[in-house]
Amino acid sequence: DTGVSQNPRHKITKRGQNVTFRCDPISEHNRLYWYRQTLGQGPEFLTYFQNEAQLEKSRLLSDRFSAERPKGSFSTLEIQRTEQGDSAMYLCASRDREYQYFGPGTRLTVT
Amino acid sequence: QKEVEQNSGPLSVPEGAIASLNCTYSDRGSQSFFWYRQYSGKSPELIMSIYSNGDKEDGRFTAQLNKASQYVSLLIRDSQPSDSATYLCAVISNSGYALNFGKGTSLLVTP
Repeated sequence: DTGVSQNPRHKITKRGQNVTFRCDPISEHNRLYWYRQTLGQGPEFLTYFQNEAQLEKSRLLSDRFSAERPKGSFSTLEIQRTEQGDSAMYLCASRDREYQYFGPGTRLTVT
Repeated sequence: QKEVEQNSGPLSVPEGAIASLNCTYSDRGSQSFFWYRQYSGKSPELIMSIYSNGDKEDGRFTAQLNKASQYVSLLIRDSQPSDSATYLCAVISNSGYALNFGKGTSLLVTP
């Protein structure tokens, strides 16, 4: 399978814990995006990487959120001190010249 | 005002009919428009893009764009029960990187 992959697919954590998600983009795509989606809403942009450079961050990305793409390949999204409001589907997408292709997502539940 | 607006639905059409899904956007300078389909519990999958005024056809799908009215639509001909999903309209953001999504329209195709 050469699509975008994300791990884990599901994560349940207690409030206050830290969590980290991983995204592996389509191999030839140098552009990578993170989005968050809650029930009944469309995906909301969080951050964008071109190769290893983080070029844009949404104001939704509070100080508790950090994303990296150290070698321009896979990316990680870390949430520190999770809150119940962080419960959502976290989607990663990679882009060719024209289109963004989404991975299966990581569903986070904060209890 | 949200940048991309869609009626949440549900829109119900009988099998074999034409389903018409609509989207308006607020940024008059927007140039690139996309339709994604999202099944319940899954991630968005790309249907098609449109960049110029007029119609663009791809199989049973036709995208329509009217930049003067800031209006994008998706027509699905010969609707099938398997088309039942949420349809997301997306517009490239001002930065040129991220996608701004509407909330999506839920489509139900009844046998």
